[in-house]
Amino acid sequence: SSVLTQPPSMSVAPGQMARISCGGDYIGTYSVHWYQQKPGQAPVLVIYYNNDRPSGIPGRFSGSNSGNTATLTISSVEAGDEADYYCQVWDSSSDHPGVFGGGTKLTVL
Amino acid sequence: EVQLVESGGGLVKPGGSLRLSCTASGFTFSDAWMSWVRQAPGKGLEWVARLKSKLNGGTTEYAPTVKDRFTISRDDSENTLYLQMHTLKTEDTAVYFCATGVGDSTGAFYFDYWGQGTLVAVSS
Repeated sequence: SSVLTQPPSMSVAPGQMARISCGGDYIGTYSVHWYQQKPGQAPVLVIYYNNDRPSGIPGRFSGSNSGNTATLTISSVEAGDEADYYCQVWDSSSDHPGVFGGGTKLTVL
Repeated sequence: EVQLVESGGGLVKPGGSLRLSCTASGFTFSDAWMSWVRQAPGKGLEWVARLKSKLNGGTTEYAPTVKDRFTISRDDSENTLYLQMHTLKTEDTAVYFCATGVGDSTGAFYFDYWGQGTLVAVSS
């Protein structure tokens, strides 16, 4: 089954760019989706199909996916972006098809 | 507006059973592929189960950690999703979220709307 690896944490100053990685064997052959979760709240979809944004998600959020790494990029980070971020794929060939990365806690300094 | 409201969580002893419900509104529930995702205290997200719409065969899939103990089902007439949990273990302690999902012919699938979750605590 797929294993997705994210850095547990990262810190960035307001106005700077944050890049959150999601590593996995041949992840570039999957569609990767990203979720934001703030404390005590449900996850919110921020990127789907590698780089599509749901309505209401700011253009500061973007994604890319190639080779063995997918990346969520938040340009010009704001204080309100402080949250946990999870990548996710669906591996239909696996007996555990729904796979989430371990999550990355983004701290805005 | 899509709304998903979970209920049925609580404290249960190891080996016990519990049934969670998720009441949906704001979309055509019968067309939706529905899932349960859980989050243990202080931990990450873990997919639990998925149920396709009847139009797409109504098939179910489970994470190996819950297969043969949990059953996902739906009542389209009541716009309600269920998760029947048996033989509960302490490691099943988590907030359980229901979520709608979108899939395509390539097999890709993502969760687009989530409920607020219901807490299940398994402890003696």
